[in-house]
Amino acid sequence: DAGVTQSPTHLIKTRGQHVTLRCSPISGHKSVSWYQQVLGQGPQFIFQYYEKEERGRGNFPDRFSARQFPNYSSELNVNALLLGDSALYLCASSFIPDREQFFGPGTRLTVL
Amino acid sequence: DAKTTQPPSMDCAEGRAANLPCNHSTISGNEYVYWYRQIHSQGPQYIIHGLKNNETNEMASLIITEDRKSSTLILPHATLRDTAVYYCIVRVGGQKVTFGTGTKLQVIP
Repeated sequence: DAGVTQSPTHLIKTRGQHVTLRCSPISGHKSVSWYQQVLGQGPQFIFQYYEKEERGRGNFPDRFSARQFPNYSSELNVNALLLGDSALYLCASSFIPDREQFFGPGTRLTVL
Repeated sequence: DAKTTQPPSMDCAEGRAANLPCNHSTISGNEYVYWYRQIHSQGPQYIIHGLKNNETNEMASLIITEDRKSSTLILPHATLRDTAVYYCIVRVGGQKVTFGTGTKLQVIP
């Protein structure tokens, strides 16, 4: 069975640009969460979606947005990129929000 | 979510049991204890979780004290591939997962 997949694996952008990251959950999983992991720190929660509805939001500015599609895949969008947005962006899926989360390999974003 | 406290690093000899402690003294009655690990530059991997009973699966055992204020993750026969950062998390089902800084486990040949 395929695990959580994310695309692209690596991405380089410049300050002020916009980026879209994509995530496909494990088949049958209906909840997707997004995390940001800066080097040397643990992942920080950004968003959780379930059945296309936002269920939770972390302490991130409005430049960060996300959505979930009818097939349960998800996109994370970041506008007006800053150098500090450089990080590993992780997507995790679970059958429902109550259950354990399974993480994808992440997208490494570098902002120059 | 309740906060957790873990030692920043630990060493374990290959083939020996690795016992990773976690303190969660402010845990509430409906919060589960979860363990994840993260091998360098990969996404975190779910290991095990429990509420108040000890749990065991193919990867590890989780021992939760009777007062639920601390727990220990046990890797029964550590291998070099177990070298990773191990995160202990407490969480009510459905809530966000809050990671701390974890314990960096180094398995030594």
